[in-house]
Amino acid sequence: EAGVVQSPRYKIIEKKQPVAFWCNPISGHNTLYWYLQNLGQGPELLIRYENEEAVDDSQLPKDRFSAERLKGVDSTLKIQPAELGDSAVYLCASSSSGGTIYFGEGSWLTVV
Amino acid sequence: AQRVTQPEKLLSVFKGAPVELKCNYSYSGSPELFWYVQYSRQRLQLLLRHISRESIKGFTADLNKGETSFHLKKPFAQEEDSAMYYCALAPTGGGNKLTFGTGTQLKVEL
Repeated sequence: EAGVVQSPRYKIIEKKQPVAFWCNPISGHNTLYWYLQNLGQGPELLIRYENEEAVDDSQLPKDRFSAERLKGVDSTLKIQPAELGDSAVYLCASSSSGGTIYFGEGSWLTVV
Repeated sequence: AQRVTQPEKLLSVFKGAPVELKCNYSYSGSPELFWYVQYSRQRLQLLLRHISRESIKGFTADLNKGETSFHLKKPFAQEEDSAMYYCALAPTGGGNKLTFGTGTQLKVEL
């Protein structure tokens, strides 16, 4: 069974440019998460979806970050404009209701 | 607010030696505690959760509510145990909202 799929795996952009990350969760998982992991830190939740509804986006910096999960399956996380401090790993994860959370390999962003 | 503290960034042990990765937490209720592991070039994955009370790959962890700890232990370290270990907490009945510690890098030397 395919796990959580993320793309791109690596992205280098100049500051002030936009960037988007895509995630395809495990089939049948209704809960999808985006986590941010800075160097030397543990993952921090940015947003959690139950189907297509964002049920927890309190940690998402809404001035420059946005996310969507229009059909309750795939999701996209966007940053516009990117800042130097956004350089990090963006992790997508999914689970069934109350089940084990499975992580993707992450999208590594470098803003120069 | 909930918080997870892993005091050691790096723990180095010799093969065959006992391992203990420390985790302390701060939470006002009864949390669910987890250990996640990330092997080199692999994705983050669940190692064990306290409600399962199981041993995975020889690792065990006991929730000590008095000391608010959930230390990960293994009696005899193996080379393949070298990895990054994260302790995580979720609110009671909220297994979906994880708060992670900063992680401990375990290095098992021959």
